[in-house]
Amino acid sequence: AQTVTQSQPEMSVQEAETVTLSCTYDTSESDDYLFWYKQPPSRQMILVIRQEAYKQQNATENRFSVNFQKAAKSFSLKISDSQLGDAAMYFCAYRSAFVSGANSKLTFGKGITLSVRP
Amino acid sequence: IAGITQAPTSQILAAGRRMTLRCTQDMRHNAMYWYRQDLGLGLRLIHYSNTAGTTGKGEVPDGYSVSRANTDDFPLTLASAVPSQTSVYFCASSLNGQGGWYGYTFGSGTRLTVV
Repeated sequence: AQTVTQSQPEMSVQEAETVTLSCTYDTSESDDYLFWYKQPPSRQMILVIRQEAYKQQNATENRFSVNFQKAAKSFSLKISDSQLGDAAMYFCAYRSAFVSGANSKLTFGKGITLSVRP
Repeated sequence: IAGITQAPTSQILAAGRRMTLRCTQDMRHNAMYWYRQDLGLGLRLIHYSNTAGTTGKGEVPDGYSVSRANTDDFPLTLASAVPSQTSVYFCASSLNGQGGWYGYTFGSGTRLTVV
């Protein structure tokens, strides 16, 4: 079974500082897709960043980057120059590249609530 | 419409009543999903459909049913609502196939309160 663990339920960061949100996943597969989604108070689920596990290079999208450690099955999200609009719940999610049936789904962590202090 | 439309946005429902949550997408995605979101539990899969005409159970399917008569629509039905089904429900879709996978497109969610 695939499990995704976000061990910290809440974090706080000062505006303009950097924060790292941790995520680990447990699977027997080796070629995977990993995602971070943001959910602001509007409730909309927004894709932040996507990583293909077979790629060596860590994904980057503007102020958002990942630190992907394949052997450790760790997929943390770094937010640089934090802004007030970054305050939201963040979900880490995983899907195997080799799918059939129910394995076509994304498995989500429980989420972490990030607050940004002005 | 562009993307996924869910209806209603929110609903208060008496226990024991039947309710259908609607989900429609216009992206011709082959796969669709229903999740429920509860505080401290994240998003949990209720049912999924990999292609029109097929459905499957997720991790929390009890009390829910789905159908996938065509590519665009994927309604979720609560046959007899109970208070534990109070939650936020998300519909999502994806294009599954060769050439990489780019995750879900989500609807805006339905907040359901069963009293």
